[in-house]
Amino acid sequence: IQLTQSPSTLSASVGERVTITCRASQSLSTWVAWYQQKPGKAPQLLIYKASSLENGVSSRFSGSGSGTEFTLTISSLQPDDFATYYCQQYNSHLYSFGPGTKLELK
Amino acid sequence: EVQLVESGGRVVKPGGSLRVSCGAAGFTFNTFGMNWVRQAPGKGLEWVASISSDSKYIYLSDSVKGRFTISRDNAKNSLYLQMSSLRAEDTALYYCARERGLGEIDYWGQGTLVTVSS
Repeated sequence: IQLTQSPSTLSASVGERVTITCRASQSLSTWVAWYQQKPGKAPQLLIYKASSLENGVSSRFSGSGSGTEFTLTISSLQPDDFATYYCQQYNSHLYSFGPGTKLELK
Repeated sequence: EVQLVESGGRVVKPGGSLRVSCGAAGFTFNTFGMNWVRQAPGKGLEWVASISSDSKYIYLSDSVKGRFTISRDNAKNSLYLQMSSLRAEDTALYYCARERGLGEIDYWGQGTLVTVSS
């Protein structure tokens, strides 16, 4: 299953609301997770099952979608949010990740 | 506290073999599925392999099938990735990662670097 993410790079300012989209080559139901990765660090789980917020993750992060289109929204960007974001599908046992979206400070 | 510590990464020649390991602590290892995920330098995440808690189910990505095997030793709280016929494109940081139950990965190690170069 192929995943695409848009945009590949996103420039935004602190306080802005941003949305990242993940599209799949076939239906995933809601078996999608989102991760944040900072340089030199392992990824961190943010959202699972498309819209469930992982324990300990800020409520500024939210996920939505089903089928083939999913979104990750950050409601009000904070300095710590500038990182790369990946979606992952686990509808198939052969998992896959999207190519990533790099969120940069404008 | 959940801890995943990878080891065994090094420089290996093309066509060579290598086994990397992951030691787990802080949770009941034999009740969780485990994964290997890799990341080439400056690139994105690539899922490599997964193994169920009892080793009954094993899945490998098409890019490594036939060359890599995943295994675990629940008595030793350890996960392994045996890699053979290594290619330059296998150069990456290899992460050991815990699967919570339905496929999402809730804990990651810090990775072990495998470099395939002559």
